[in-house]
Amino acid sequence: NAGVMQNPRHLVRRRGQEARLRCSPMKGHSHVYWYRQLPEEGLKFMVYLQKENIIDESGMPKERFSAEFPKEGPSILRIQQVVRGDSAAYFCASSPSREYEQYFGPGTRLTVT
Amino acid sequence: DAKTTQPTSMDCAEGRAANLPCNHSTISGNEYVYWYRQIHSQGPQYIIHGLKNNETNEMASLIITEDRKSSTLILPHATLRDTAVYYCIVYIQGAQKLVFGQGTRLTINP
Repeated sequence: NAGVMQNPRHLVRRRGQEARLRCSPMKGHSHVYWYRQLPEEGLKFMVYLQKENIIDESGMPKERFSAEFPKEGPSILRIQQVVRGDSAAYFCASSPSREYEQYFGPGTRLTVT
Repeated sequence: DAKTTQPTSMDCAEGRAANLPCNHSTISGNEYVYWYRQIHSQGPQYIIHGLKNNETNEMASLIITEDRKSSTLILPHATLRDTAVYYCIVYIQGAQKLVFGQGTRLTINP
């Protein structure tokens, strides 16, 4: 049973470009969570999604960031017009339901130049 | 904000038991204690969780005090691969988001 998959593992973008981060949850998991870890800091919750629905986006910056989890395919975290401050590791986690522990993927390291 | 207090760093000799403390004096009756670890810059790894009773799995043991205000994660025979940052998190199941503090940086020495 494959774990949570994230791609790309490393992403370099110039300021002003768009970044798309993908997360495929574990098989049988329909709940997806995104977290961000800035350099030398702890992980911070961004958004929680179930299939086709955003349940909690209280941790998402108000502008430029969006997330989706379509009926088919991976969850996508999209960052428009990236700035240097967006450089971070972005982790996705999944669980089979809200009451179960979350399992994390290896992360995508975004570098904005 | 994190509702737990952990030492910033700890050292342990390889082969010995590593005991990581966590204070959560404001824990509510329906909040669980979860432990995760992050090895280098990998994704956090779930270790164990508990509500009141002590718990054990193949990775670790979790000892929760009777008043639930503190707990200890025990790695019974630490190896070099257990070097990581360990996070103690209080969490209401179904609350959706894990709140990570700064954790304890555990270094296992040969």
